[in-house]
Amino acid sequence: AQKITQTQPGMFVQEKEAVTLDCTYDTSDQSYGLFWYKQPSSGEMIFLIYQGSYDEQNATEGRYSLNFQKARKSANLVISASQLGDSAMYFCAMRASGGSYIPTFGRGTSLIVHP
Amino acid sequence: KAGVTQTPRYLIKTRGQQVTLSCSPISGHRSVSWYQQTPGQGLQFLFEYFSETQRNKGNFPGRFSGRQFSNSRSEMNVSTLELGDSALYLCASSFVPGHQETQYFGPGTRLLVL
Repeated sequence: AQKITQTQPGMFVQEKEAVTLDCTYDTSDQSYGLFWYKQPSSGEMIFLIYQGSYDEQNATEGRYSLNFQKARKSANLVISASQLGDSAMYFCAMRASGGSYIPTFGRGTSLIVHP
Repeated sequence: KAGVTQTPRYLIKTRGQQVTLSCSPISGHRSVSWYQQTPGQGLQFLFEYFSETQRNKGNFPGRFSGRQFSNSRSEMNVSTLELGDSALYLCASSFVPGHQETQYFGPGTRLLVL
């Protein structure tokens, strides 16, 4: 069974500071993909970043980076230089063959960026 | 390249009615998945279609059904609506099912059942 755990229901950060959103996962598969999505109040889920289980380098996409620690089964999202527009829900997800590739999502973390 | 589109964006229905939601995936994407999102239950998987075949189904009653057409567009239908069906319904597409495949989501359809 696949499982994603996001232990931070809510996070606050000051504008221009960096913030780390935690994600741990559980799977018995060797091949899997980890994804982060952002969901503003408008509702649309916006894809942010992807990390494959065999990728040796941490993924980066602009201000987003994924701190991938395979042995600890964690895939934390780091947002550098937070902006007011970063205020949203953030979801961690995983796809693996054991789950028939159906994405497993965490419960999400609500991020609020203060000016 | 156009993103995933969903219609309608908002719907108000009454109990007992039925509703059909539509999703057009990104061009070239053949896998379409549907999700229901509510504050209490979070994001729940409804079903996935790939090449016009239902590939996976979540734990929802038979009132929830879907289909996919040859052009990969998909529809989902909810019959005999209940108050608890009020939710944001999200559609997502990817090229194919796979652990490396990113799902891209549409803007969602907000359904309110009165």
